[in-house]
Amino acid sequence: EAGVAQSPRYKIIEKRQSVAFWCNPISGHATLYWYQQILGQGPKLLIQFQNNGVVDDSQLPKDRFSAERLKGVDSTLKIQPAKLEDSAVYLCASGLMGLETQYFGPGTRLLVL
Amino acid sequence: SQQGEEDPQALSIQEGENATMNCSYKTSINNLQWYRQNSGRGLVHLILIRSNEREKHSGRLRVTLDTSKKSSSLLITASRAADTASYFCATDAVAGSARQLTFGSGTQLTVLP
Repeated sequence: EAGVAQSPRYKIIEKRQSVAFWCNPISGHATLYWYQQILGQGPKLLIQFQNNGVVDDSQLPKDRFSAERLKGVDSTLKIQPAKLEDSAVYLCASGLMGLETQYFGPGTRLLVL
Repeated sequence: SQQGEEDPQALSIQEGENATMNCSYKTSINNLQWYRQNSGRGLVHLILIRSNEREKHSGRLRVTLDTSKKSSSLLITASRAADTASYFCATDAVAGSARQLTFGSGTQLTVLP
């Protein structure tokens, strides 16, 4: 079974630029999550989708971050404009219905200069 | 905010020894999960223990849960160099209007050959 795919793996941008990350979850997984992991910390949930609807985006900085999950499969997370403090690893995870085991992708490492 | 806090932050042991990591949390939970993260990789689910369970085993892993003390421990027996990684506890609980998985800050385990 193919795992969660993410791209790009690495991205370097300058502050105030925009960036987008892509995630393809495991086939058949209804729930999809985006996490931000700052160096030395655990992942922090940004947004949770169930199919193509948003379940929880209470921790998403909506003034600069946006995410969508068209057709309930792939998802994109966008940052516009980026700030220095956005430097982190952005992890995508998926799961079956219900909040049990989550399967994580390899992450996108973002460096904002 | 980080619901679970791991202790110790870092642990270094010799191959063959046992490693114990602890996790404390603040609110009522549905279940508690442990994940492993190798350097530069995504997280891998290790084990889930439900709120009505006290102990669970999986191979060389043993997890305990004490809901009265709001704490859990992960024991890795007969450690191997390949166990070197960061270990995170994650609590499944209602936060705001939705169930969320909230990660602690992790324990960095180093197993010396």
